[in-house]
Amino acid sequence: DTAVSQTPKYLVTQMGNDKSIKCEQNLGHDTMYWYKQDSKKFLKIMFSYNNKELIINETVPNRFSPKSPDKAHLNLHINSLELGDSAVYFCASSQDSLAGGRNGELFFGEGSRLTVL
Amino acid sequence: QKEVEQNSGPLSVPEGAIASLNCTYSDRGSQSFFWYRQYSGKSPELIMFIYSNGDKEDGRFTAQLNKASQYVSLLIRDSQPSDSATYLCALKGTLNDYKLSFGAGTTVTVRA
Repeated sequence: DTAVSQTPKYLVTQMGNDKSIKCEQNLGHDTMYWYKQDSKKFLKIMFSYNNKELIINETVPNRFSPKSPDKAHLNLHINSLELGDSAVYFCASSQDSLAGGRNGELFFGEGSRLTVL
Repeated sequence: QKEVEQNSGPLSVPEGAIASLNCTYSDRGSQSFFWYRQYSGKSPELIMFIYSNGDKEDGRFTAQLNKASQYVSLLIRDSQPSDSATYLCALKGTLNDYKLSFGAGTTVTVRA
């Protein structure tokens, strides 16, 4: 049973379209994250929610809108997709709001590879 | 996001050798440091964390931290082909930091 699952795993779409990625965790964690990994493997935090409350909102275009209906789910909606949005988007979770606490352990999903043409 | 620098590699080592990976950081106040491993096409997973200056060993892995010089390194002893992956250095400003800041990773290839 996958701990952090994301859907879809692959998205290929045209510029200007809107797309959503869904994430679910069954670990009972309180905090969930969205990270973006570009082609150079640089992993950058975008958002974090703790018990449905937004606690991290990095400098991300407002075309990106996260939603957390409950603490086990965190979705990401992207409007008006651009070429530069092409990346792998990782969802992650941790037990507490402090980025994995002492151990710094985030549990990542398998990633959603977005390609914008 | 705190700046974390890593040599992107690829670092190629023969099987059985020691792979040495380095990471430097810009924020002198950073307190806790982590190494994640990411296999190609897979998600990152935590393999080591270190807070105190000096060495920390876990199996074939040794993390080394030098806060005065602002670097943290990872040694992989007796490298195996299964160690071929990208290794991501990450840090938190304090133990109570909300964010993990990652470097771009070093790709390691172990030659059989």
